[in-house]
Amino acid sequence: DTEVTQTPKHLVMGMTNKKSLKCEQHMGHRAMYWYKQKAKKPPELMFVYSYEKLSINESVPSRFSPECPNSSLLNLHLHALQPEDSALYLCASSQRTGHATNSPLHFGNGTRLTVT
Amino acid sequence: EDQVTQSPEALRLQEGESSSLNCSYTVSGLRGLFWYRQDPGKGPEFLFTLYSAGEEKEKERLKATLTKKESFLHITAPKPEDSATYLCAVQAPGTASKLTFGTGTRLQVTL
Repeated sequence: DTEVTQTPKHLVMGMTNKKSLKCEQHMGHRAMYWYKQKAKKPPELMFVYSYEKLSINESVPSRFSPECPNSSLLNLHLHALQPEDSALYLCASSQRTGHATNSPLHFGNGTRLTVT
Repeated sequence: EDQVTQSPEALRLQEGESSSLNCSYTVSGLRGLFWYRQDPGKGPEFLFTLYSAGEEKEKERLKATLTKKESFLHITAPKPEDSATYLCAVQAPGTASKLTFGTGTRLQVTL
């Protein structure tokens, strides 16, 4: 079992809905990430939080809104999504981030999102 | 721009038939090379980190090696439970843990 927990495991939403994805880790990691993965493709980075502050936004559309309430929790708020946003959304954490580190990322099992 | 190329795209082995997966990379100063295993519908599972050419790491039937241009994941006497997609990723300096992933090798081990 992974130490990064994501809920829900599956989510179906309409294009006018608002929903949130949740991620929790209790490894004491100070960096958390959101990745998007389409079928048979590698994960693509969306956002990075370091010490609860947003440090990287990979030009993600504003219909995706991340939030890091504390060092253990990471949310991704979804609004007015498009069918092409359907994918596996992965949360990950690492001990820290920054220029002097190369901590491995530990991934959750993802939320399978379908936008209808 | 950092690039990672994995080969083969897919590999089918019989149980006990050893083989190697390749990860070729181009990066301006490697900070770390990571191997992950991903089962269908699951998140990537961390396997190894390699930092410098000549380094090797082992875990059960898996052994990862690193040169200045590529990494190999050697699978010795594989079992059906080793079937998965194996992802390679690199981190360059100053990229705040941003990983560049390859497209993976889908491994199927049959009885």
